[in-house]
Parts: sequence; structure tokens; C-alpha cells
Amino acid sequence: QKEVEQDPGPLSVPEGAIVSLNCTYSNSAFQYFMWYRQYSRKGPELLMYTYSSGNKEDGRFTAQVDKSSKYISLFIRDSQPSDSATYLCAMSAGGGTGFQKLVFGTGTRLLVSP
Amino acid sequence: DTAVSQTPKYLVTQMGNDKSIKCEQNLGHDTMYWYKQDSKKFLKIMFSYNNKELIINETVPNRFSPKSPDKAHLNLHINSLELGDSAVYFCASSPTVNYGYTFGSGTRLTVV
Repeated sequence: QKEVEQDPGPLSVPEGAIVSLNCTYSNSAFQYFMWYRQYSRKGPELLMYTYSSGNKEDGRFTAQVDKSSKYISLFIRDSQPSDSATYLCAMSAGGGTGFQKLVFGTGTRLLVSP
Repeated sequence: DTAVSQTPKYLVTQMGNDKSIKCEQNLGHDTMYWYKQDSKKFLKIMFSYNNKELIINETVPNRFSPKSPDKAHLNLHINSLELGDSAVYFCASSPTVNYGYTFGSGTRLTVV
């Protein structure tokens, strides 16, 4: 079982829809949670960064973390064709004296049709 | 001005050859990384350096050797290339090890 699980999709939605992307994880030590967007043949770019549980909003994007359920979500409101990309969740344990690696999900491919 | 730049973008080479990929960041970050992304888009860490010191070394064949001459540069040398090494290799950097990364645009390595 992978440490971080993510449905690969593709997820197809019409323009203007609300999109929900999710990841589950098994390591209860994870404290730092991120979402990256990756366009085809490009490097991932950081969209959202949250620490511990709770919500964070940035424009049309909202990130939610539920540590009790080991579940994180990214919501995209008013989705646009330009949002079509692969969305990767990532997380790390952090803290302490040791350095902790960032563990990625496999990514969900999102397709927003005009 | 590119934040994290990798060269080359594309690399096609024969099995058994030795090749290098270079990475440079101009963000002033302390930590740099090499990640490998396979054909299923799964990103897996290979190495991490913090201020030129190796801090993460995952289970990677010793044919792969990273080198960090200074904190703005992290290169990856690969000896005796194999077919299974074909992938996209991403360099990334971050201000601290627990913060979000800035990725380069990737080096697409094809071994034939």
C-alpha cells in the first residue's frame, strides 16, 4: 500500500463546475500538506500549502485537511478550461531534528471542457 | 528569469552510456532535490541536499551520483545507463525542507 493514495482519473467536468480532488494517506506523522498543478510536459507548480488540519482559501481554490480521517481535499470553484492539468497532492512529516522528504500522490488528471 | 533551470531538456542516449543533468536555482533556497517521474506520473524523491550537504538518499542505484558544488547548483550524473532509467527527472528547491518546492521544467531522459 502506498503512503499516499490518489485517484488517477481522468476527471471530466464542464466549465463552471465545482471540482473536488482528494487524497488519503496512511502516515499519521504527516503535518505539512500541499497541492501541486502539473501541465503536460511541465514541472509541478505549488498551488496550496497548509500546515496541520483546517481550511485554506486562495481565490477559486480551497484546501481542506482532516487529519483525524487522514484525508485532504482541493476544491476548485468555477472551473475553467485552463484548469485542465494533473493535480498532485504531497505531504511530509517535518519537525524534529531530521529532514523529512515530501511524499507525492500519483496525481489526478482533470479535464474541464468549454 | 527562470527560478529553477535544468539542462538539457531532452536527452536521448544509448544503454551503457554515462550522462549528466545540471540544475541551477536563483531563488536563494537552501535545499535542493532530484525527483524521478515515471510514465505513470509518480514522483519519487531520489536525493536532497541542504547547503551542499546530502540529507536524503533514497534507495537509488549507485550508478546515480549527485553533486552540489554550491547551494545554488545540484547536478546528477548517471553511469552505465539502463532502459529502466528512462523517465523525466525534476530538480526542485525550497527555502526549508518542509516548505513547498519550486520545480524545474524537467529533463526527459530516453535510453535506447
